[in-house]
Amino acid sequence: GESVGLHLPTLSVQEGDNSIINCAYSNSASDYFIWYKQESGKGPQFIIDIRSNMDKRQGQRVTVLLNKTVKHLSLQIAATQPGDSAVYFCAENNNQGGKLIFGQGTELSVKP
Amino acid sequence: KAGVTQTPRYLIKTRGQQVTLSCSPISGHRSVSWYQQTPGQGLQFLFEYFSETQRNKGNFPGRFSGRQFSNSRSEMNVSTLELGDSALYLCASSLKGDGGYTFGSGTRLTVV
Repeated sequence: GESVGLHLPTLSVQEGDNSIINCAYSNSASDYFIWYKQESGKGPQFIIDIRSNMDKRQGQRVTVLLNKTVKHLSLQIAATQPGDSAVYFCAENNNQGGKLIFGQGTELSVKP
Repeated sequence: KAGVTQTPRYLIKTRGQQVTLSCSPISGHRSVSWYQQTPGQGLQFLFEYFSETQRNKGNFPGRFSGRQFSNSRSEMNVSTLELGDSALYLCASSLKGDGGYTFGSGTRLTVV
């Protein structure tokens, strides 16, 4: 049958602005969450992760926030640069070994 | 250190044929997971191997199979290829399958 492509949410920001990408996860039993960045023609690249015993974790220019009450995850990118343009995926793991469940992704576009 | 290596990078096959894809994990990693990425369905988990045993399996038909060797290298096989199997196939490795998943660049399979 006809396949319908996923219509990715898009976020367009100016270079230097902060970006916030949101993700709603599905399983309240999930205890490990990861953000990945995927550029065209490449595999997903690890950005930052967080376990369910934390609600915030910071990396270099990135911060992940976890709200278990509403099953929501967000990725904040400070001082967004053109090189940050990519599709961003959140992924969850509920203690099932190497099985990650991915969100649909958000396309980030950074205008110089 | 070397990352996750997937071969081949590109592959064109005819309907009805079978195909074998290879994944070499990061040295020391014992967990290898496979994913299918399509515009219509996004990133979907196929299966995970840990110490030569399949530990987790996604919702794909039996035409999709895999194995892992004693050196942790993994292969996946798709038999009786269908047009809908055209996708980017990604593998990810992890030390124990409890975090730190690193992806390869994928194999782009086109079925004609």
